[in-house]
Amino acid sequence: KAGVTQTPRYLIKTRGQQVTLSCSPISGHRSVSWYQQTPGQGLQFLFEYFSETQRNKGNFPGRFSGRQFSNSRSEMNVSTLELGDSALYLCASSWRGGGTEAFFGQGTRLTVV
Amino acid sequence: AQSVTQPDIHITVSEGASLELRCNYSYGATPYLFWYVQSPGQGLQLLLKYFSGDTLVQGIKGFEAEFKRSQSSFNLRKPSVHWSDAAEYFCAVGAGNQGGKLIFGQGTELSVKP
Repeated sequence: KAGVTQTPRYLIKTRGQQVTLSCSPISGHRSVSWYQQTPGQGLQFLFEYFSETQRNKGNFPGRFSGRQFSNSRSEMNVSTLELGDSALYLCASSWRGGGTEAFFGQGTRLTVV
Repeated sequence: AQSVTQPDIHITVSEGASLELRCNYSYGATPYLFWYVQSPGQGLQLLLKYFSGDTLVQGIKGFEAEFKRSQSSFNLRKPSVHWSDAAEYFCAVGAGNQGGKLIFGQGTELSVKP
């Protein structure tokens, strides 16, 4: 069974640009969550999608948004990039979210210059 | 609010020695608890989980963890560490009423000396 796939693996963007990251969950999983990982703040929850609906949202500005498609694939978008958005963005998929195991992708390393 | 504390930022152990990584959580009800491991530049790999039942849970790579409700702890243990265990370890807590959201500790970096 294929794992969680995130694309691209690495990305370099300029301040002010926008970026879209993609996550393909494990087949059959309906919950996709996104996390930002930085050396200073650690792993922080961005949002969770379940059956195409945002079910949970972390404490991030509105520049961070996401969506989920009918095949459970998810994208997250960051608009008007800031230097502080440089991070490893991790996607996790699980069968239904709470009370089930979450499996993580390899992440997308975003560098904003 | 939920929170997770990993008191040790960095631990060094000798190969073959035993290991215990500490994790304390704050949550009103019985939480879902997880330990993940991350190698540099990689994603997180699930080592083990606790949902309910037996408080001693076994995971992959010879790891185990014990849930102690009275101490709000979920410490990770391994009887004999291998050099390949060097990585960063994260404890996480989830709540059923918050879907798939996980709250992570700050992580413990494990170094293994020969």
